[in-house]
Amino acid sequence: EPEVTQTPSHQVTQMGQEVILRCVPISNHLYFYWYRQILGQKVEFLVSFYNNEISEKSEIFDDQFSVERPDGSNFTLKIRSTKLEDSAMYFCASRGQGRSGANVLTFGAGSRLTVL
Amino acid sequence: DAKTTQPPSMDCAEGRAANLPCNHSTISGNEYVYWYRQIHSQGPQYIIHGLKNNETNEMASLIITEDRKSSTLILPHATLRDTAVYYCIVRAGGSQGNLIFGKGTKLSVKP
Repeated sequence: EPEVTQTPSHQVTQMGQEVILRCVPISNHLYFYWYRQILGQKVEFLVSFYNNEISEKSEIFDDQFSVERPDGSNFTLKIRSTKLEDSAMYFCASRGQGRSGANVLTFGAGSRLTVL
Repeated sequence: DAKTTQPPSMDCAEGRAANLPCNHSTISGNEYVYWYRQIHSQGPQYIIHGLKNNETNEMASLIITEDRKSSTLILPHATLRDTAVYYCIVRAGGSQGNLIFGKGTKLSVKP
């Protein structure tokens, strides 16, 4: 079964450092998403991406965050200057163009980010 | 998007059916009901979705009331591996946007 692949599985970084989380969505999918989950809390939407641009973003996704699809296969989330509160599990998801138009997302296993 | 209400937790005996309810009384005509689950800290996993009709797949059945104001996810023979947080989400079809996760129902399947 097709999978969404995320790397790294766990990254530890110092506060103020830049971090790039990588995702390989399912190959024929057209919509891409990043979510995060702080330990013990809800899964929170960050951003959606379609046709090489951001289609929707939450208030969490401020100027410290950016997304990119650099080469037609990878989808990356960059955090420019990490803060302690960025420590969380980050999930990438992708979606195809379903016939019904339904939002069936396939999620990756996540990247755990720990900011010290 | 319509708001959903789910019980915070439920228990189920292994091998029995697990029936997880969800209220979405403000659902509108073009909104689908989606069910996802999250096992421990893994990525959310799609289970099933529906618009008006009841749906069944290899994982579960989805029963939507005629007025569409509530639904029930049925796991016909729960196993210990079905212990997870189950999310009921309502979202309009055809949108490019995201799914909003609530707190869900923590289902504990017990031997």
